[in-house]
Amino acid sequence: GDQVEQSPSALSLHEGTDSALRCNFTTTMRSVQWFRQNSRGSLISLFYLASGTKENGRLKSAFDSKERRYSTLHIRDAQLEDSGTYFCAAEEGTNTGKLTFGDGTVLTVKP
Amino acid sequence: AQTIHQWPVAEIKAVGSPLSLGCTIKGKSSPNLYWYWQATGGTLQQLFYSITVGQVESVVQLNLSASRPKDDQFILSTEKLLLSHSGFYLCAWRPGTGQDTQYFGPGTRLLVL
Repeated sequence: GDQVEQSPSALSLHEGTDSALRCNFTTTMRSVQWFRQNSRGSLISLFYLASGTKENGRLKSAFDSKERRYSTLHIRDAQLEDSGTYFCAAEEGTNTGKLTFGDGTVLTVKP
Repeated sequence: AQTIHQWPVAEIKAVGSPLSLGCTIKGKSSPNLYWYWQATGGTLQQLFYSITVGQVESVVQLNLSASRPKDDQFILSTEKLLLSHSGFYLCAWRPGTGQDTQYFGPGTRLLVL
């Protein structure tokens, strides 16, 4: 979407390496969510952040608490099962749940 | 535990024919409900949201309509399909408090020929 700029659009990693995805927002956002979509289309929720950072296993996400204009998703020790398309989605301040999605990052993890 | 179902799993329809897609959430009262559309290889676009029964707000106009006839049911429909309606339709819910992630259903794949 125009309000959410996600990078990179594609990423290839070798097993065991680390990397990061980023989403920039053209306006201040209330919250950000990160999802992974698998090959069947299922959208799996990874993180919801209204501020600060969250960590779950090898994944860690941060949301800029000061200006609320960007978020990152860090992948540590990439594994084959991490492959998929990652989306960030941001919500403005209306609390209606209107999410604007980034264009996604296609992650391929190779042996 | 909450569960979300979508039906049908997939559809192949002719241009100009009607369409009705369904979504049901079990185990959660008064959820916020959402419809999304995803073109093949594209990103997700929110179409509609509903905070309560009988009330639906449109986010993007794609010649589709939505209704919420029951607290746990959300319907997406059109009387005349277009080729551009092809894609993947996802339903999502989140608690009515709003301070939480959205949980997505398994989706419906639609091909319009």
